[in-house]
Amino acid sequence: SYVLSQPPSVSVAPGKTARIPCGGNNIGSKSVHWYQQKPGQAPVLVINFDSDRPSGIPERISGSKSGNTATLTISRVEAGDEADYYCQVWDRSAGVLFGGGTKLTVL
Amino acid sequence: QVQLQQWGAGLLKPSETLSLTCAVYGGSLSGYYWAWIRQTPGKGLEWIGEINHGGSTTYNSSLKSRVTISVDTSQNQVSLKLSSVTAADTAVYFCASGVVHYFDGWGQGTLVTVSS
Repeated sequence: SYVLSQPPSVSVAPGKTARIPCGGNNIGSKSVHWYQQKPGQAPVLVINFDSDRPSGIPERISGSKSGNTATLTISRVEAGDEADYYCQVWDRSAGVLFGGGTKLTVL
Repeated sequence: QVQLQQWGAGLLKPSETLSLTCAVYGGSLSGYYWAWIRQTPGKGLEWIGEINHGGSTTYNSSLKSRVTISVDTSQNQVSLKLSSVTAADTAVYFCASGVVHYFDGWGQGTLVTVSS
């Protein structure tokens, strides 16, 4: 079955750039979507179709894909960016799949 | 953007059936996918299944034998039933919506605890 792999945690200092990878076999052939989830809240879509930002999402947040890895990049990280981040794809066999999530810690 | 409000029983005994409803405000069910997604305490997100605007359903294979997702267009509601629950089904359950297979609308979440 298809698996999306994310590191459990990423730490970054305020003002720096955070990069959160999401690995999957042949992920280049799939559209990758990203969600931000803060404690006690529902997830919020921050990137769809690899690199598109929904309305209201700051330009500091971007998405990219290369080889077997999609990456969520948060520039000029702020304390308010501290959250869990999940990647997600649609697989024809398995349906909707989420990565295990990455906890972003702002130092 | 549509607003989703969900409700249902929060405490179940093993073997009972989980039943949750998600009301859609500010739009119709047409043209969207409506999904249920759960999150076990301290863990990640698990897709349970979805129904599209045509009424076709797709379920997570690991839950398929126990899940039913349906829509009531007259009430603008989407429902989830999960039968024969066990402690492993204890989770926060979310309804979610999207035009394609991603979700830009989410309900507030409902904690369902299964305990004898």
